Amino acid sequence: KAGVTQTPRYLIKTRGQQVTLSCSPISGHRSVSWYQQTPGQGLQFLFEYFSETQRNKGNFPGRFSGRQFSNSRSEMNVSTLELGDSALYLCASSLETVTGGAYEQYFGPGTRLTVT
Amino acid sequence: GNSVTQMEGPVTLSEEAFLTINCTYTATGYPSLFWYVQYPGEGLQLLLKATKADDKGSNKGFEATYRKETTSFHLEKGSVQVSDSAVYFCALRMDSSYKLIFGSGTRLLVRP
Repeated sequence: KAGVTQTPRYLIKTRGQQVTLSCSPISGHRSVSWYQQTPGQGLQFLFEYFSETQRNKGNFPGRFSGRQFSNSRSEMNVSTLELGDSALYLCASSLETVTGGAYEQYFGPGTRLTVT
Repeated sequence: GNSVTQMEGPVTLSEEAFLTINCTYTATGYPSLFWYVQYPGEGLQLLLKATKADDKGSNKGFEATYRKETTSFHLEKGSVQVSDSAVYFCALRMDSSYKLIFGSGTRLLVRP
C-alpha cells in the first residue's frame, strides 16, 4: 500500500499571502489529522477530519483551516501568513471509525513551509 | 491537561551501547502510548505502541513497557547502531480524543 503523500514538499511564501497544503491518506483510511512541527513549540495538533467532518481542533487561530473530501483527501489552508507560521506541516492518516479508538496514525513526509 | 515529558537530549552513545530514553506522562484516564522516530528530512514513523497497562511494545529491537504505577513508557534497545541516529518522540492518545500529544523529542546520536 502506498503511504501518506503530501504536496508540495517545500513551499516559500511571503507574509500576508495564503497557502494550501494537500494530503492523500493511505487507501482505506478515513481519518486525517494535521500537525505543525516547529523547533520552539514541537509537534502540535491542528485538526482532525473524518468523513468530511472536523471532529477535533487544536489551539490555533482561525487563519488555520482545513477540509476533507469524499475520497478522504484533505487540504489545510493558512491565510494571512505570518513569519511564525514557518514550520513543517505533517499529515497523518488512521483507520479510525465513527466511535474512535486508539488506532495508530501514519505520517506523511511533511510540507516544509517557509514564510519570508 | 494531558502531557508527555521526555528526557532532554541529545543522547550520544557508541555503537552497540544500551539505550534508554525516558518518557513519563500525565493523563486523566488511561491513554494509549506510542513511540515515533523521525529521521532527518522525513516525517514520523511509528516505532511501537502499547494500549494498556503492562503491555510491552516492541519493534526492530526497541522495547517499551506501559507502567501505570509510574506513568512511564521508557524506550530501550540493547545494542544501538549508527543507523538508529534520529529524533525519538513519545506520545499519548486518549480513546475519547483524536489527537496525539507529543513529548518534546529526544535526539539520539550513535557514533561508530
